[in-house]
Amino acid sequence: EPEVTQTPSHQVTQMGQEVILRCVPISNHLYFYWYRQILGQKVEFLVSFYNNEISEKSEIFDDQFSVERPDGSNFTLKIRSTKLEDSAMYFCASRRDSGGKNIQYFGAGTRLSVL
Amino acid sequence: AQTVTQSQPEMSVQEAETVTLSCTYDTSESDYYLFWYKQPPSRQMILVIRQEAYKQQNATENRFSVNFQKAAKSFSLKISDSQLGDAAMYFCACGDYGQNFVFGPGTRLSVLP
Repeated sequence: EPEVTQTPSHQVTQMGQEVILRCVPISNHLYFYWYRQILGQKVEFLVSFYNNEISEKSEIFDDQFSVERPDGSNFTLKIRSTKLEDSAMYFCASRRDSGGKNIQYFGAGTRLSVL
Repeated sequence: AQTVTQSQPEMSVQEAETVTLSCTYDTSESDYYLFWYKQPPSRQMILVIRQEAYKQQNATENRFSVNFQKAAKSFSLKISDSQLGDAAMYFCACGDYGQNFVFGPGTRLSVLP
């Protein structure tokens, strides 16, 4: 069964550094998402992406965050200057199309630790 | 805007017994979906079951079934014949047709041998 792949599984970085989290969505999917889960808290929506542009973003997704689909297969989340509070699990998800029956498939997540 | 509430932070069940996890939600959408996701210690998010709001029939997937009460905005998950591998965090989620999900805070399920 096709799956969403996220790399790395664990990323450790120093505060103030830039990080790029990578996702390879399922190949025929058109809608892409990033979610965040701070340890012990619920999963929060960050951003959705379609047709090479952001379709919706939450309040969490400020100017420090950006997303990109650089080559038609990868979908990346960049955090420009990481803060301690960015430490969380980041989930990528993808969906085939806008049909109501299509669900989001989640990757296994990237654990980001900001020191 | 959608909100999802899970009133049970923790639950436990004896192996082979049945447990029900509660979820209530609120949404202004007329068409929406409801989901239960399982998050084991590996922290991967795994879809357990989903329900289209326009369907009256409750969804079932093997040992997992839901009790969907649309008027009450309730969406509980029943796990029958609980197994040790069912131990995990369970998240209820509500998504509209744009499928921007809102997740509940989760219920940690322990399965006792």
